Amino acid sequence: EAQVTQNPRYLITVTGKKLTVTCSQNMNHEYMSWYRQDPGLGLRQIYYSMNVEVTDKGDVPEGYKVSRKEKRNFPLILESPSPNQTSLYFCASRLSGARTDTQYFGPGTRLTVL
Amino acid sequence: GNSVTQMEGPVTLSEEAFLTINCTYTATGYPSLFWYVQYPGEGLQLLLKATKADDKGSNKGFEATYRKETTSFHLEKGSVQVSDSAVYFCALSHSGGYQKVTFGTGTKLQVIP
Repeated sequence: EAQVTQNPRYLITVTGKKLTVTCSQNMNHEYMSWYRQDPGLGLRQIYYSMNVEVTDKGDVPEGYKVSRKEKRNFPLILESPSPNQTSLYFCASRLSGARTDTQYFGPGTRLTVL
Repeated sequence: GNSVTQMEGPVTLSEEAFLTINCTYTATGYPSLFWYVQYPGEGLQLLLKATKADDKGSNKGFEATYRKETTSFHLEKGSVQVSDSAVYFCALSHSGGYQKVTFGTGTKLQVIP
């Protein structure tokens, strides 16, 4: 089954404790993104990757890091989480960067930073 | 810059009512337009899309037409069901550059029996 998986689905942590949210896709997609969803703000892109070892900032990259060492994986790293990073996070992938591409989303990770 | 504006929610309808969720956009070039749906506790999934002016996307009884002259992509369904209760996101994929996707803020639909 074609899918994007994320782990963990739920995470409660404390300020400053480094964490990683994993994302994996099995569709051989080149393009992957991380979004955060906040009430009244919709989805905002954090980082994106056009291929292995190629990443760039989205609209709200502060406080986040990413890496793309393999085509299928695109982890999101919070080196020192803060309460304003409490949010619902989605990983997404698409075949390429073409404007006609459909995005496929993971199930989401709900993060609470105390 | 490019942007998407959706009508504020929540929208509450009775079963079998007609649905319209308005979406307008600002973009340069020739974007593609999408509607994604998010059911409770799940990620977003594509509902329909249109890739050029005057195209009509349709799926599961939902329709939307890409209107370049009014820069709109309104979502419609003739008869909603309780199972359509979800959050609906309008989005556009930019032409040029790395084809970033910009989302609207989402419209929550609640259908009551």
